[in-house]
Amino acid sequence: GNSVTQMEGPVTLSEEAFLTINCTYTATGYPSLFWYVQYPGEGLQLLLKATKADDKGSNKGFEATYRKETTSFHLEKGSVQVSDSAVYFCALAAGGGADGLTFGKGTHLIIQP
Amino acid sequence: NAGVMQNPRHLVRRRGQEARLRCSPMKGHSHVYWYRQLPEEGLKFMVYLQKENIIDESGMPKERFSAEFPKEGPSILRIQQVVRGDSAAYFCASSPPVSGTNEQFFGPGTRLTVL
Repeated sequence: GNSVTQMEGPVTLSEEAFLTINCTYTATGYPSLFWYVQYPGEGLQLLLKATKADDKGSNKGFEATYRKETTSFHLEKGSVQVSDSAVYFCALAAGGGADGLTFGKGTHLIIQP
Repeated sequence: NAGVMQNPRHLVRRRGQEARLRCSPMKGHSHVYWYRQLPEEGLKFMVYLQKENIIDESGMPKERFSAEFPKEGPSILRIQQVVRGDSAAYFCASSPPVSGTNEQFFGPGTRLTVL
């Protein structure tokens, strides 16, 4: 079956530090890949997505590249801010149809001033 | 364009009672998904519905849980005879009829507490 594995948190960084949150996946076919962000007490917001190999999704300074050869979709940001503190979820959708998303367990990111 | 609406936002039930969670998808969206998030866990897919049809309920517990998405009105997730283990955040998501990427838009969730 499909699965997503992401690094466990919490991840604590200082403001302006470089961020990487690792995500790898197992899936049949050609899934679409997503990063969602969840702020305390809120629902999930789509941060970025990529639909095919070598695609790069980007939004709000965050980037992730769909790497089929390593089955990875690592999230990166060059300079984090306190406001980036949240829980980040990597997810996949099996290719070809409208299916439920498969999520990783989430990574809690804490940015200190 | 209003986003996905869920109500109530918080629901408290005693063991053995019924819980009804409602979800109104975004305008123009005909696909609805329900997910459950247990404390310190990621979201787990429960069920996928289109209007008047259950498409995939592979993530639904076999007993006590049911879902519907009638022709008119919101989607309902119903939990009968709740137990403490049902305490969780329940999220609804919707997507438009044609979406090659299966991008889903999430509601704010209903936090169920079973006493």
